Amino acid sequence: DAGVIQSPRHEVTEMGQEVTLRCKPISGHNSLFWYRQTMMRGLELLIYFNNNVPIDDSGMPEDRFSAKMPNASFSTLKIQPSEPRDSAVYFCATQPGTWAGNTIYFGEGSWLTVV
Amino acid sequence: AQSVTQLDSQVPVFEEAPVELRCNYSSSVSVYLFWYVQYPNQGLQLLLKYLSGSTLVKGINGFEAEFNKSQTSFHLRKPSVHISDTAEYFCAVSEPFGGNTPLVFGKGTRLSVIA
Repeated sequence: DAGVIQSPRHEVTEMGQEVTLRCKPISGHNSLFWYRQTMMRGLELLIYFNNNVPIDDSGMPEDRFSAKMPNASFSTLKIQPSEPRDSAVYFCATQPGTWAGNTIYFGEGSWLTVV
Repeated sequence: AQSVTQLDSQVPVFEEAPVELRCNYSSSVSVYLFWYVQYPNQGLQLLLKYLSGSTLVKGINGFEAEFNKSQTSFHLRKPSVHISDTAEYFCAVSEPFGGNTPLVFGKGTRLSVIA
């Protein structure tokens, strides 16, 4: 099992540029989460999907952030335009089924630096 | 709404000494409780979880945690730590009812094991 695969692992971009982060979930997992990790705020849930449908996007900080899950094998998190305060580690995580007791599996993260 | 408080942001401990990482939660309903570990430059992985039954839960790498409902705590313990246990540890909570609810994480405790 390859686990949750995220790309890119590291990205440095200039303020104002569009950033797209990608996630391939573990095959068969029905739920997908995007988290952001910073020193100041810790781990924050941005958005999550069940069976490819967005359930709660209340954690998305601004309209500059958008997320999609066009099929069960792929999700994107887009920031347009990017700002220095978006610098963080972005984690994609997936879960088999929709039961809250199931283990959530994390990818290795996408380290974003906006200069 | 649920919340998690990890009382210590950093815990230094000597190798082979015991350690306890503290976690308190608040929730108006029953909860599921989790401990995740994050090694440097990696994603989070599950150490252990409490869903129901015995309040003492054993996890990987010799860690265990005890659920205390009256004190709303879920402290993590290990009787003898190794250098390789140096990492960030996150306590998390979710609700067992109402379908899938995402994990809410504490801000983490950085465990530093000193040789």
